[in-house]
Amino acid sequence: GENVEQHPSTLSVQEGDSAVIKCTYSDSASNYFPWYKQELGKRPQLIIDIRSNVGEKKDQRIAVTLNKTAKHFSLHITETQPEDSAVYFCAATDTGNQFYFGTGTSLTVIP
Amino acid sequence: DTEVTQTPKHLVMGMTNKKSLKCEQHMGHRAMYWYKQKAKKPPELMFVYSYEKLSINESVPSRFSPECPNSSLLNLHLHALQPEDSALYLCASTAGNEQFFGPGTRLTVL
Repeated sequence: GENVEQHPSTLSVQEGDSAVIKCTYSDSASNYFPWYKQELGKRPQLIIDIRSNVGEKKDQRIAVTLNKTAKHFSLHITETQPEDSAVYFCAATDTGNQFYFGTGTSLTVIP
Repeated sequence: DTEVTQTPKHLVMGMTNKKSLKCEQHMGHRAMYWYKQKAKKPPELMFVYSYEKLSINESVPSRFSPECPNSSLLNLHLHALQPEDSALYLCASTAGNEQFFGPGTRLTVL
């Protein structure tokens, strides 16, 4: 089955700086890669996703890049704000039936 | 209606109790899921229903029993749980590849 690794497990940045979270996957059949943000006590929320036929996708301050050859994808958050503080999970799936999650990154943005 | 709902929000139960968690979505999504989540850990897949049929059971103990009465509803029946079963139980549904989570039920087993 698929194995998704995520780094770092914790990340602290100053407000206004950029944050980068990286994930690798093992199954070349995986073709959809979502990122979820989970605030304390709340549900995971889909913040951005990328499909395997695309190398990069951007939505305001958030971007995701995918390198299919190396089997890794990354989340980039620019101009970080305190409300970006949360746990972020990457995931991978091939069929959309079973999602394989990374272990999570706890991001703290220091005002 | 564009979200997944879950009831109850919180549940405290003893090890001899029987209770049920409920999940509902009216988005016409084909697949529905139960996940268990411990603090700051990723969601751990328990069950997947696809077109109202159980398609994945991740070797979950029989004290957890899922049920999908129709395409909009998903239940999780709980019986004789252990304290280590205390967690956030998340329901999710999928449209294409996009997965949407409900707010979860915070379960405490005493």
